[in-house]
Amino acid sequence: EVQLVESGGDLLQPGGSLTLSCAASGFTFSSNAMSWVRQAPGKGLEWVSTMNPNGNTYYADSVKGRFTISRDNSKNTLYLQTSSLRAEDTAVYYCTKDGKLHLFDQWGQGTLVTVSS
Amino acid sequence: EIVMTQSPATLSVSPGDRATLSCRASQSFNINLAWYQQKPGQAPRLLIYGASTRATGIPARFSGSGSGTEFTLTISSLQSEDFAVYYCQQYNNWPLTFGGGTKVEIK
Repeated sequence: EVQLVESGGDLLQPGGSLTLSCAASGFTFSSNAMSWVRQAPGKGLEWVSTMNPNGNTYYADSVKGRFTISRDNSKNTLYLQTSSLRAEDTAVYYCTKDGKLHLFDQWGQGTLVTVSS
Repeated sequence: EIVMTQSPATLSVSPGDRATLSCRASQSFNINLAWYQQKPGQAPRLLIYGASTRATGIPARFSGSGSGTEFTLTISSLQSEDFAVYYCQQYNNWPLTFGGGTKVEIK
């Protein structure tokens, strides 16, 4: 059974930094693309970032230059380093296992990041 | 960027009725479209990919169709557990983009 467990969400002030983690199990992590998708309170879904098995990375314009996706295949863990956080980054951040061509076929339960002064 | 527009924003349906949800893309692409279901307090769940292929374990009452710029999700006979928010997502181009969602509520 695929499991994705996010952690690291917190309450921060604007301008702060945070690293989110996603522990994966139940599939061959190193062979799979992985992504982060976020959802602001009461809003829809927004793709944030993807990392392919070959190390290629992709970012939404809204986070480019501020967020960095990475992975540790030895630990089956995906990361999202965030910096220069803004109020509009407040959201539940979901880790996803990507299916063929970057659809999101498995989701974690999410971790809440709140940016507020 | 491909903008995905879903309609209607809210759909009021009686249990047992058919629900038809629409998703329109600002640019044409083939069938790299997925549908997700999200219930309150839960993570989204993949329903349909490739515009019309049901994901593992998804009941046959869910069906998807379309290509190009017009896509449809049909729920043939709504069950109580189907009242939720539904999102479409294109995975043809970067950036990956979602529609704004359709809330299916009990009439």
